[in-house]
Amino acid sequence: DAGVIQSPRHEVTEMGQEVTLRCKPISGHDYLFWYRQTMMRGLELLIYFNNNVPIDDSGMPEDRFSAKMPNASFSTLKIQPSEPRDSAVYFCASSLWRSYEQYFGPGTRLTVT
Amino acid sequence: AQTVTQSQPEMSVQEAETVTLSCTYDTSESDYYLFWYKQPPSRQMILVIRQEAYKQQNATENRFSVNFQKAAKSFSLKISDSQLGDAAMYFCAYRSAGYTGANSKLTFGKGITLSVRP
Repeated sequence: DAGVIQSPRHEVTEMGQEVTLRCKPISGHDYLFWYRQTMMRGLELLIYFNNNVPIDDSGMPEDRFSAKMPNASFSTLKIQPSEPRDSAVYFCASSLWRSYEQYFGPGTRLTVT
Repeated sequence: AQTVTQSQPEMSVQEAETVTLSCTYDTSESDYYLFWYKQPPSRQMILVIRQEAYKQQNATENRFSVNFQKAAKSFSLKISDSQLGDAAMYFCAYRSAGYTGANSKLTFGKGITLSVRP
């Protein structure tokens, strides 16, 4: 299995631009999670989906952030407009119902200048 | 809500020696899972070891073992015969047991950076 795939691996953008991060979960997994990692706040759960349906988006910091999962094999996290404080590493993870383990993607390092 | 605390931001160990990383958590639940994840400079999050709260026996995985003290809500990771490749950030994480959606998420501690001296 290819594991969780995220793209791009690195993204540099200017303040005010729209940013879209992409994730392909492991085939057959029915849970998908988006995390953000910063030095100040550590790893934070932003939102997660079960069977493509958002379950809990209470971690999404602002309305500038949105996430979708149009099908079982693809999810996006969008920031519009982006701000310098959004600079972080964004991870996607997936898991299978009744499994304790989450499998993480390699992360996307976002830099907003 | 559950919280996970890793109070030591950094630790250092001599190669081939043993080091223990500390983690405490707070929960009102009786059944849950605890994990240690490793994040090397590559950024990839790697599961090192897990512990089910209902098991009294401490989990072990090769050179990695845990000391799980349920009453004290303590979950430390011991790395024996430390190797240079063990240098990484280590995160302690909590997950509720059960299979509803709300139980699936992980709560992480802030992490500890481990360096290994040759």
